[in-house]
Amino acid sequence: AQSVSQHNHHVILSEAASLELGCNYSYGGTVNLFWYVQYPGQHLQLLLKYFSGDPLVKGIKGFEAEFIKSKFSFNLRKPSVQWSDTAEYFCAVNAGQAGTALIFGKGTTLSVSS
Amino acid sequence: EAQVTQNPRYLITVTGKKLTVTCSQNMNHEYMSWYRQDPGLGLRQIYYSMNVEVTDKGDVPEGYKVSRKEKRNFPLILESPSPNQTSLYFCASQGGRASYEQYFGPGTRLTVT
Repeated sequence: AQSVSQHNHHVILSEAASLELGCNYSYGGTVNLFWYVQYPGQHLQLLLKYFSGDPLVKGIKGFEAEFIKSKFSFNLRKPSVQWSDTAEYFCAVNAGQAGTALIFGKGTTLSVSS
Repeated sequence: EAQVTQNPRYLITVTGKKLTVTCSQNMNHEYMSWYRQDPGLGLRQIYYSMNVEVTDKGDVPEGYKVSRKEKRNFPLILESPSPNQTSLYFCASQGGRASYEQYFGPGTRLTVT
């Protein structure tokens, strides 16, 4: 069965610090990869996605993620975080087969202090 | 405006009292899903639907029912709610098999006492 692991449960950073959130998945076939963000009290919004092609994908708000197939990883990065990036971040994987099951990681809470 | 709507947004109910959470999308999407979000567990899929009259179980279907009589609507039914179904529920829709991006509704916070 597919699974997604997010290494950090809670990350605390100061403004302007660099961010990297780890995500690993277990599935041997073709995958589609996503990072979603959930700001306090709001619904999930798509940050970025990877289907194929360039493994370095850029998303909204200065976020990017790199797909490393050999490591089954899709880590999220941002060079300089802002207080407004305080949110919960979810990595998700879809195995690309019929059906719509998105498998989510358990989430990483990011707290940015100003 | 393309969106997924859910109602109600907040609901407090008692054990055993049947309830329905509605979900509607205006994007003519074929695929729709329900998830529940619990602290430390992320989002887990309850049920999904590939099209009208086609539904299937997700990871945590026990205690829930769904129906898909129209393409735009995908209600979640709790026939006899229990306290362990207290959670935050999200409906999502997806454009089709070639489009794996899911659009999420605003969420329904359900408390069962």
